[in-house]
Amino acid sequence: SQTIHQWPATLVQPVGSPLSLECTVEGTSNPNLYWYRQAAGRGLQLLFYSVGIGQISSEVPQNLSASRPQDRQFILSSKKLLLSDSGFYLCAWGLRGSRTGKAFFGQGTRLTVV
Amino acid sequence: EDKVVQSPLSLVVHEGDTVTLNCSYEVTNFRSLLWYKQEKKAPTFLFMLTSSGIEKKSGRLSSILDKKELFSILNITATQTGDSAIYLCAVFLNDYKLSFGAGTTVTVRA
Repeated sequence: SQTIHQWPATLVQPVGSPLSLECTVEGTSNPNLYWYRQAAGRGLQLLFYSVGIGQISSEVPQNLSASRPQDRQFILSSKKLLLSDSGFYLCAWGLRGSRTGKAFFGQGTRLTVV
Repeated sequence: EDKVVQSPLSLVVHEGDTVTLNCSYEVTNFRSLLWYKQEKKAPTFLFMLTSSGIEKKSGRLSSILDKKELFSILNITATQTGDSAIYLCAVFLNDYKLSFGAGTTVTVRA
Protein backbone atom coordinates (compact mmCIF):
# COMPACT_ATOMS: atom_id res chain seq x y z
CA SER A 1 0.00 0.00 0.00
CA GLN A 2 1.03 3.57 -0.55
CA THR A 3 2.14 5.83 2.27
CA ILE A 4 3.31 9.41 2.47
CA HIS A 5 5.73 10.71 5.06
CA GLN A 6 6.20 14.37 5.87
CA TRP A 7 8.49 15.83 8.49
CA PRO A 8 8.96 17.52 10.82
CA ALA A 9 5.48 17.79 12.34
CA THR A 10 6.20 21.14 13.97
CA LEU A 11 8.94 23.69 13.49
CA VAL A 12 9.76 27.03 15.07
CA GLN A 13 12.30 29.05 13.13
CA PRO A 14 13.66 32.61 13.49
CA VAL A 15 13.16 35.17 10.75
CA GLY A 16 15.96 35.01 8.21
CA SER A 17 16.81 31.37 8.84
CA PRO A 18 16.67 28.71 6.09
CA LEU A 19 13.95 26.10 5.73
CA SER A 20 13.82 22.56 4.44
CA LEU A 21 10.69 20.42 4.62
CA GLU A 22 10.78 16.94 3.20
CA CYS A 23 8.12 14.63 1.87
CA THR A 24 8.54 11.08 0.62
CA VAL A 25 6.08 8.64 -0.87
CA GLU A 26 6.29 4.85 -0.70
CA GLY A 27 4.51 2.15 -2.62
CA THR A 28 4.02 3.92 -5.93
CA SER A 29 6.07 5.19 -8.85
CA ASN A 30 6.01 8.44 -10.83
CA PRO A 31 3.49 10.17 -8.60
CA ASN A 32 2.26 13.72 -9.05
CA LEU A 33 3.47 15.66 -6.00
CA TYR A 34 2.05 18.80 -4.41
CA TRP A 35 2.95 21.35 -1.73
CA TYR A 36 0.14 23.36 -0.15
CA ARG A 37 0.04 26.01 2.56
CA GLN A 38 -2.95 26.56 4.80
CA ALA A 39 -3.58 29.64 6.90
CA ALA A 40 -5.36 29.07 10.21
CA GLY A 41 -8.91 27.78 9.60
CA ARG A 42 -8.71 28.34 5.86
CA GLY A 43 -8.43 26.43 2.59
CA LEU A 44 -5.35 25.11 0.83
CA GLN A 45 -3.19 27.37 -1.30
CA LEU A 46 -1.28 25.45 -3.97
CA LEU A 47 2.40 26.42 -3.85
CA PHE A 48 4.13 23.93 -6.15
CA TYR A 49 3.35 20.79 -8.08
CA SER A 50 5.50 18.31 -9.92
CA VAL A 51 4.76 15.67 -12.53
CA GLY A 52 8.29 14.28 -12.69
CA ILE A 53 11.87 14.50 -11.43
CA GLY A 54 13.17 18.03 -11.84
CA GLN A 55 9.80 19.27 -13.16
CA ILE A 56 8.42 21.92 -10.82
CA SER A 57 5.49 24.24 -11.49
CA SER A 58 5.16 27.25 -9.21
CA GLU A 59 1.78 28.71 -8.52
CA VAL A 60 2.55 31.63 -6.23
CA PRO A 61 5.59 33.94 -6.50
CA GLN A 62 7.09 33.94 -3.05
CA ASN A 63 9.99 33.32 -0.79
CA LEU A 64 9.85 29.56 -1.24
CA SER A 65 11.19 27.03 -3.73
CA ALA A 66 10.65 23.33 -4.34
CA SER A 67 12.76 20.53 -5.69
CA ARG A 68 12.22 16.93 -6.68
CA PRO A 69 15.63 15.26 -6.60
CA GLN A 70 14.20 11.73 -6.70
CA ASP A 71 10.99 10.27 -8.06
CA ARG A 72 9.26 10.01 -4.69
CA GLN A 73 10.90 12.86 -2.82
CA PHE A 74 9.64 16.42 -2.74
CA ILE A 75 11.39 19.19 -0.82
CA LEU A 76 10.17 22.66 0.11
CA SER A 77 12.89 25.20 0.86
CA SER A 78 13.59 28.78 1.70
CA LYS A 79 16.89 30.60 2.00
CA LYS A 80 15.53 33.24 4.40
CA LEU A 81 12.23 32.84 6.18
CA LEU A 82 9.78 35.70 6.60
CA LEU A 83 7.13 36.08 9.30
CA SER A 84 4.51 35.65 6.57
CA ASP A 85 5.85 32.15 5.84
CA SER A 86 4.21 30.87 9.02
CA GLY A 87 1.45 28.36 8.37
CA PHE A 88 0.51 24.73 7.99
CA TYR A 89 2.30 23.04 5.09
CA LEU A 90 0.85 19.94 3.50
CA CYS A 91 2.44 17.58 1.02
CA ALA A 92 0.25 15.39 -1.17
CA TRP A 93 0.62 12.81 -3.92
CA GLY A 94 -1.60 11.56 -6.73
CA LEU A 95 -1.34 8.82 -9.33
CA ARG A 96 0.51 9.79 -12.49
CA GLY A 97 -1.90 9.98 -15.39
CA SER A 98 -4.86 9.96 -13.06
CA ARG A 99 -8.10 11.11 -14.63
CA THR A 100 -9.63 11.88 -11.27
CA GLY A 101 -6.98 13.83 -9.39
CA LYS A 102 -7.58 12.05 -6.11
CA ALA A 103 -4.75 13.12 -3.84
CA PHE A 104 -3.48 11.71 -0.57
CA PHE A 105 -2.07 13.99 2.08
CA GLY A 106 0.72 13.83 4.60
CA GLN A 107 0.12 14.86 8.20
CA GLY A 108 1.49 18.33 7.65
CA THR A 109 4.15 20.58 9.16
CA ARG A 110 3.14 23.49 11.35
CA LEU A 111 5.74 26.20 10.80
CA THR A 112 5.98 29.19 13.08
CA VAL A 113 8.43 31.92 12.13
CA VAL A 114 9.39 34.09 15.10
CA GLU B 1 -6.99 32.41 -13.88
CA ASP B 2 -8.62 29.32 -12.41
CA LYS B 3 -11.05 29.95 -9.55
CA VAL B 4 -12.70 27.66 -7.03
CA VAL B 5 -15.14 29.45 -4.72
CA GLN B 6 -16.82 27.88 -1.72
CA SER B 7 -19.75 29.21 0.24
CA PRO B 8 -20.54 29.85 2.95
CA LEU B 9 -17.12 30.34 4.53
CA SER B 10 -18.44 29.10 7.85
CA LEU B 11 -21.65 28.03 9.50
CA VAL B 12 -22.90 26.81 12.86
CA VAL B 13 -25.72 24.29 13.12
CA HIS B 14 -27.25 22.06 15.77
CA GLU B 15 -27.17 18.31 15.82
CA GLY B 16 -29.80 16.85 13.54
CA ASP B 17 -29.79 19.79 11.12
CA THR B 18 -29.11 19.42 7.39
CA VAL B 19 -26.18 21.29 5.87
CA THR B 20 -25.65 22.25 2.23
CA LEU B 21 -22.23 23.41 1.11
CA ASN B 22 -21.57 25.04 -2.24
CA CYS B 23 -18.61 24.99 -4.58
CA SER B 24 -18.50 26.92 -7.85
CA TYR B 25 -15.63 26.98 -10.30
CA GLU B 26 -14.29 28.84 -13.29
CA VAL B 27 -11.45 26.84 -14.77
CA THR B 28 -10.01 25.76 -18.06
CA ASN B 29 -9.60 22.07 -18.85
CA PHE B 30 -11.79 20.64 -16.10
CA ARG B 31 -11.24 16.96 -15.32
CA SER B 32 -12.97 16.33 -12.01
CA LEU B 33 -14.18 17.88 -8.78
CA LEU B 34 -13.29 16.47 -5.39
CA TRP B 35 -14.52 16.99 -1.83
CA TYR B 36 -12.36 16.53 1.26
CA LYS B 37 -12.96 16.71 5.00
CA GLN B 38 -10.28 18.14 7.28
CA GLU B 39 -10.61 17.72 11.03
CA LYS B 40 -7.15 18.21 12.48
CA LYS B 41 -4.32 17.68 10.08
CA ALA B 42 -4.50 15.75 6.82
CA PRO B 43 -7.59 16.25 4.63
CA THR B 44 -9.40 12.99 3.95
CA PHE B 45 -11.12 12.17 0.68
CA LEU B 46 -14.92 12.17 0.51
CA PHE B 47 -16.11 12.22 -3.11
CA MET B 48 -14.88 12.54 -6.66
CA LEU B 49 -17.30 13.77 -9.36
CA THR B 50 -16.82 13.87 -13.10
CA SER B 51 -20.31 13.62 -14.57
CA SER B 52 -23.25 15.97 -14.19
CA GLY B 53 -26.35 14.88 -12.37
CA ILE B 54 -25.01 11.69 -10.81
CA GLU B 55 -25.28 11.79 -7.05
CA LYS B 56 -22.57 10.22 -4.96
CA LYS B 57 -23.60 9.04 -1.50
CA SER B 58 -21.77 7.83 1.56
CA GLY B 59 -23.92 7.43 4.64
CA ARG B 60 -25.34 10.82 5.56
CA LEU B 61 -23.18 12.64 3.03
CA SER B 62 -24.02 13.15 -0.62
CA SER B 63 -22.72 15.27 -3.45
CA ILE B 64 -23.69 16.20 -6.98
CA LEU B 65 -22.06 18.08 -9.85
CA ASP B 66 -23.58 20.42 -12.42
CA LYS B 67 -21.08 20.89 -15.26
CA LYS B 68 -23.34 23.23 -17.16
CA GLU B 69 -23.70 25.70 -14.31
CA LEU B 70 -20.20 24.91 -13.00
CA PHE B 71 -20.96 24.06 -9.40
CA SER B 72 -21.23 21.24 -6.93
CA ILE B 73 -23.02 20.83 -3.61
CA LEU B 74 -22.21 18.68 -0.63
CA ASN B 75 -25.10 17.75 1.65
CA ILE B 76 -24.86 16.44 5.18
CA THR B 77 -28.09 15.20 6.75
CA ALA B 78 -28.80 14.54 10.44
CA THR B 79 -25.56 16.27 11.41
CA GLN B 80 -23.53 15.05 14.36
CA THR B 81 -20.79 16.77 16.38
CA GLY B 82 -18.30 14.55 14.57
CA ASP B 83 -19.19 16.33 11.33
CA SER B 84 -17.51 19.48 12.63
CA ALA B 85 -14.62 20.13 10.26
CA ILE B 86 -13.39 22.18 7.34
CA TYR B 87 -14.89 20.91 4.08
CA LEU B 88 -12.69 21.50 1.08
CA CYS B 89 -13.62 21.50 -2.59
CA ALA B 90 -10.95 20.99 -5.24
CA VAL B 91 -10.85 20.93 -9.03
CA PHE B 92 -8.44 18.74 -10.97
CA LEU B 93 -7.22 20.16 -14.28
CA ASN B 94 -5.67 18.73 -17.43
CA ASP B 95 -2.19 19.88 -16.47
CA TYR B 96 -2.47 17.81 -13.27
CA LYS B 97 -2.94 20.85 -11.10
CA LEU B 98 -5.25 20.31 -8.12
CA SER B 99 -6.70 23.64 -6.97
CA PHE B 100 -8.66 24.04 -3.75
CA GLY B 101 -11.24 26.55 -2.62
CA ALA B 102 -11.01 28.44 0.66
CA GLY B 103 -13.06 25.80 2.49
CA THR B 104 -16.22 25.90 4.59
CA THR B 105 -15.86 25.55 8.35
CA VAL B 106 -18.80 23.62 9.76
CA THR B 107 -19.46 23.64 13.50
CA VAL B 108 -22.12 21.29 14.82
CA ARG B 109 -23.32 22.07 18.35
CA ALA B 110 -24.82 19.40 20.60
